[in-house]
Amino acid sequence: QVQLQESGPGLLKPSETLSLTCTVSGGSISRYYWSWIRQPPGKRLEWIGSIYYIGSTNYNPSLKSRVTISVDTSKNQFSLKLISVTAADTAVYYCARSGLNAFDAFDIWGQGTMVTVSS
Amino acid sequence: QSVLTQPPSVSGAPGQRVTISCTGSSSNIGAGYDVHWYQQLPGTAPKVLIHGNSNRPSGVPDRFSGSKSGTSASLAITGLQAEDEADYYCQSYDSSHVVFGGGTKLTVL
Repeated sequence: QVQLQESGPGLLKPSETLSLTCTVSGGSISRYYWSWIRQPPGKRLEWIGSIYYIGSTNYNPSLKSRVTISVDTSKNQFSLKLISVTAADTAVYYCARSGLNAFDAFDIWGQGTMVTVSS
Repeated sequence: QSVLTQPPSVSGAPGQRVTISCTGSSSNIGAGYDVHWYQQLPGTAPKVLIHGNSNRPSGVPDRFSGSKSGTSASLAITGLQAEDEADYYCQSYDSSHVVFGGGTKLTVL
């Protein structure tokens, strides 16, 4: 079955760039929508943005100026870049798959990776 | 502050029925967007419980059901079990952007 695995640095300093990759295994990245979602400790889920396998993106308006999501179909991966991080960006970051349509539910999630921003 | 409003907590005894509400507005749920529900057990990733307002993925017990009306949606859990103790989130869309509710902590007494 399809599995997702996040990877990337777990500790950043303020003003640095957060870079995470989600590797899709057990299935193809093609034909689906893929998203990044985060959850600060003890807080609610927050959608960061989504990408269709051909590269079209949709970002959370509150993060849009700092976020880039890209996809590499040859590697079956998609990635997140968040610039100028602050302590408020400390969270568990999840990658997730929606279905074949943009408004499908997130049916598969990665286990999540904790990212801490601290000087 | 979430676009979708959920009660912070609900509770019930084993075997009872509980409902969790998700209140939106005319720009999200009321605009016709689907509502999805997720269960998040402590320390784990969320898992989809209900998709498309009222559809259960395979493997989800029929004790869980969803409904939507106007600008609100609800998740009902019948025959409450200890293993249902978790956080529950509703999710929809607002101007084509994904939005989540604030989450509801279910305590099984």
